[in-house]
Amino acid sequence: GAVVSQHPSWVICKSGTSVKIECRSLDFQATTMFWYRQFPKQSLMLMATSNEGSKATYEQGVEKDKFLINHASLTLSTLTVTSAHPEDSSFYICSASREGLGEQFFGPGTRLTVL
Amino acid sequence: AQSVAQPEDQVNVAEGNPLTVKCTYSVSGNPYLFWYVQYPNRGLQFLLKYITGDNLVKGSYGFEAEFNKSQTSFHLKKPSALVSDSALYFCAVRDIGSGGYQKVTFGIGTKLQVIP
Repeated sequence: GAVVSQHPSWVICKSGTSVKIECRSLDFQATTMFWYRQFPKQSLMLMATSNEGSKATYEQGVEKDKFLINHASLTLSTLTVTSAHPEDSSFYICSASREGLGEQFFGPGTRLTVL
Repeated sequence: AQSVAQPEDQVNVAEGNPLTVKCTYSVSGNPYLFWYVQYPNRGLQFLLKYITGDNLVKGSYGFEAEFNKSQTSFHLKKPSALVSDSALYFCAVRDIGSGGYQKVTFGIGTKLQVIP
């Protein structure tokens, strides 16, 4: 149980285009979903926290208009990188947690490369 | 503010030997503590957690961790390392008193290399 999927697993796009990444909890209802960014050989940087049906809470320094997060249901959250630039290239990881439990369950990550 | 320290960038251990990956934390209240493992180009996999109860927590793949409140530590251990244990390990903490906002702080990660 507690499986989280991400789609796509990797994506290459041109500078200026937008990219959408999906995060799904496959066998449980996720009250909260998290989006992280991971740079090579570095830890996870929390970008935002989202609860179903409400606006995401962004961490300091993360541009809300650039990284659009939609938590449409208890099993789906999406991250849209708008007007992507090469510096947005990174490994993006989502996670989901259930009500009352401490641990997060992570997706496999999405490698974004912006040319 | 909560924080996590993993003092070792890399730990090398011979296959079959015991391994320890260190973690210390800082929270204002009582901690939820976690260990995760990450294989290359993959997401994180949950290994174990401490919330309350016994200080020695057993998790997946033969790993265990010991919660030490006085030393504010939560070191990850395994009695006999396998080559397949080679990966990046993250310690994480959440303040139990943080209520509905479940922000978790991750350490920078420790690369474990098990030598055949």
